[in-house]
Amino acid sequence: AQSVTQLGSHVSVSEGALVLLRCNYSSSVPPYLFWYVQYPNQGLQLLLKYTTGATLVKGINGFEAEFKKSETSFHLTKPSAHMSDAAEYFCAVSPSSNTGKLIFGQGTTLQVKP
Amino acid sequence: DADVTQTPRNRITKTGKRIMLECSQTKGHDRMYWYRQDPGLGLRLIYYSFDVKDINKGEISDGYSVSRQAQAKFSLSLESAIPNQTALYFCATSDFYSGRETQYFGPGTRLLVL
Repeated sequence: AQSVTQLGSHVSVSEGALVLLRCNYSSSVPPYLFWYVQYPNQGLQLLLKYTTGATLVKGINGFEAEFKKSETSFHLTKPSAHMSDAAEYFCAVSPSSNTGKLIFGQGTTLQVKP
Repeated sequence: DADVTQTPRNRITKTGKRIMLECSQTKGHDRMYWYRQDPGLGLRLIYYSFDVKDINKGEISDGYSVSRQAQAKFSLSLESAIPNQTALYFCATSDFYSGRETQYFGPGTRLLVL
């Protein structure tokens, strides 16, 4: 069965520091991979996605993620954290084409300290 | 105006009551989804619909039912609410033809069952 694991339910960084949120997936077929962000009292917003092609994907707000098939990972990074990045982040996988179904990880809450 | 709206945004109800959560979208998407979010569990799929006549159970459909009244409207019902249905509920939409599997989320409905 397909699954997504986000390592670390809470991550705390200082403003200006590197952000690294980890995501590993299991899928028996080439997956589509997503990162969503949820700001307080809001719905989920797509940060970036990988479907095919270039394995380094750039998203909004300076975030990027790299698909590593050999490691079954899709970690999210940002070189310099900003206070406004404080939110909950979800990694998700769509395990096969045209099913319309997403499987979400447990979520990682990012805290940014001044 | 928001593309995906949910009503109500907050609801308190009592055990055994019937409750309906509504979702409307103006994105013109054919696919709609209902998820629930619980702390530490991420989002889990309750039901999904690929068009008005195509409704499918998701991962956790027990205790829930849905109705797709029109392409733009998808309602979730709890026939007899129980406390462990207390959660944050999200509606989402997607369009297979333009953005495969990218889902767009509403703001959520926070439900408390006493």
